[in-house]
Amino acid sequence: AQSVTQLDSHVSVSEGTPVLLRCNYSSSYSPSLFWYVQHPNKGLQLLLKYTSAATLVKGINGFEAEFKKSETSFHLTKPSAHMSDAAEYFCVVSALNDMRFGAGTRLTVKP
Amino acid sequence: DGGITQSPKYLFRKEGQNVTLSCEQNLNHDAMYWYRQDPGQGLRLIYYSQIVNDFQKGDIAEGYSVSREKKESFPLTVTSAQKNPTAFYLCASSADRVRTEAFFGQGTRLTVV
Repeated sequence: AQSVTQLDSHVSVSEGTPVLLRCNYSSSYSPSLFWYVQHPNKGLQLLLKYTSAATLVKGINGFEAEFKKSETSFHLTKPSAHMSDAAEYFCVVSALNDMRFGAGTRLTVKP
Repeated sequence: DGGITQSPKYLFRKEGQNVTLSCEQNLNHDAMYWYRQDPGQGLRLIYYSQIVNDFQKGDIAEGYSVSREKKESFPLTVTSAQKNPTAFYLCASSADRVRTEAFFGQGTRLTVV
C-alpha cells in the first residue's frame, strides 16, 4: 500500500521570497514521485519527477525537489516566488499498479 | 499537437439522468484514467484501463461505468446511481502505469440541477 501526506493545506508567501511545499510518502516499494500544479478549473501539469536517478530533481518554472529516502520526503522548493506560481500543488507517489495523490497544497503569493 | 481532450468543459445533468464524459488522447498511451476532484480532497481514482477492452475499478467506482473499445478513447458514464455526481472530472493517460508520468486533460465540470 502507498500513501502521500502533504503537510500543509495552504501556504502563503510574499512575491520574491522562497517557497517550500512539504510532502511525505509511504511505500513498500521503490516508488516514482511527482509534483503537479493545477491552476483554477484546469487540468494538472507536471512540474517534475523522480524515478530513481539523481535525488535532486529540477523541474519547470524554477522549481526543484529533493528525494530523501531516510525521511521519506519529497519537498518542493523554489528560491523566489512569482505571482504566477499561485495555484494548487499535488504530490504523487507511484509504484507497480498504484498511483496515489496527496490532498493538495494551495499556494498563495502576496504582492 | 499531442494531448488529451476532454469534452464538454461544462455539463449539467438532471436528477436521474445518465451522462457521458468524453476523453480522447493522441499520445499513443496504453494506460488511461478517470479521476474525480472535490474541494480539499485531492484526486480520487474512479476507473483505469491499461489496455484496450480491459479496465479496473478504482477507489470510488460505484455509480460510474467506462468502456475502452479503442486505444485513444476512454469515455466515462455517470449513472443515476451516483448519488453525489457534482464534481470536477479529470481524464489522464500515461505510457504505462509504473514509472511514467500521467498527462491530464483540462477537465469537465459536472453539475446536477
